[in-house]
Amino acid sequence: DVKVTQSSRYLVKRTGEKVFLECVQDMDHENMFWYRQDPGLGLRLIYFSYDVKMKEKGDIPEGYSVSREKKERFSLILESASTNQTSMYLCASKLEGAWGETQYFGPGTRLLVL
Amino acid sequence: RKEVEQDPGPFNVPEGATVAFNCTYSNSASQSFFWYRQDCRKEPKLLMSVYSSGNEDGRFTAQLNRASQYISLLIRDSKLSDSATYLCVVADSSYKLIFGSGTRLLVRP
Repeated sequence: DVKVTQSSRYLVKRTGEKVFLECVQDMDHENMFWYRQDPGLGLRLIYFSYDVKMKEKGDIPEGYSVSREKKERFSLILESASTNQTSMYLCASKLEGAWGETQYFGPGTRLLVL
Repeated sequence: RKEVEQDPGPFNVPEGATVAFNCTYSNSASQSFFWYRQDCRKEPKLLMSVYSSGNEDGRFTAQLNRASQYISLLIRDSKLSDSATYLCVVADSSYKLIFGSGTRLLVRP
């Protein structure tokens, strides 16, 4: 069974803080993704990584950066958290070349920025 | 216009009912199509892929109409455990899945 884990289920931070969200997968997947999910907007892609040290911007990368130093780990960084970054953050991973039928999600991190 | 559009619902149906959801997508070049299920406060999980010829998995039937750019999901004999949000998902490439905002289903006893 594929397992994607995220470092925190719930997080409360203050405006201006630097926030790290970590994601780890144990299936040797090449591709990893960070999404945010907001009511009425669905899941939106922030960044993805198709391999170690490789990253690509998604649809809403502003205010975020990522790091992929090891294949199993993909980190999302909020350099200076703002209240509009309050959201549910979902990490996902999949095999290179798969189209979505094998995209597995982590349990999500609910981030509240005060 | 959203790339993938779904009726948010909620659809409130009795156990045993048949319910259908539709979804439309804007990119005619989209390659692959899926339905994901998301339980309250949980992560999305793949329910089924959608093929042009239509496909069935137990009580669930998915269909794709490329000409009209819509995807459907039919659930027969609804169970209480089917209560969830159903996400329509379209793949434009192997790296990019476009998610609809979901249709909420409530199955009542």
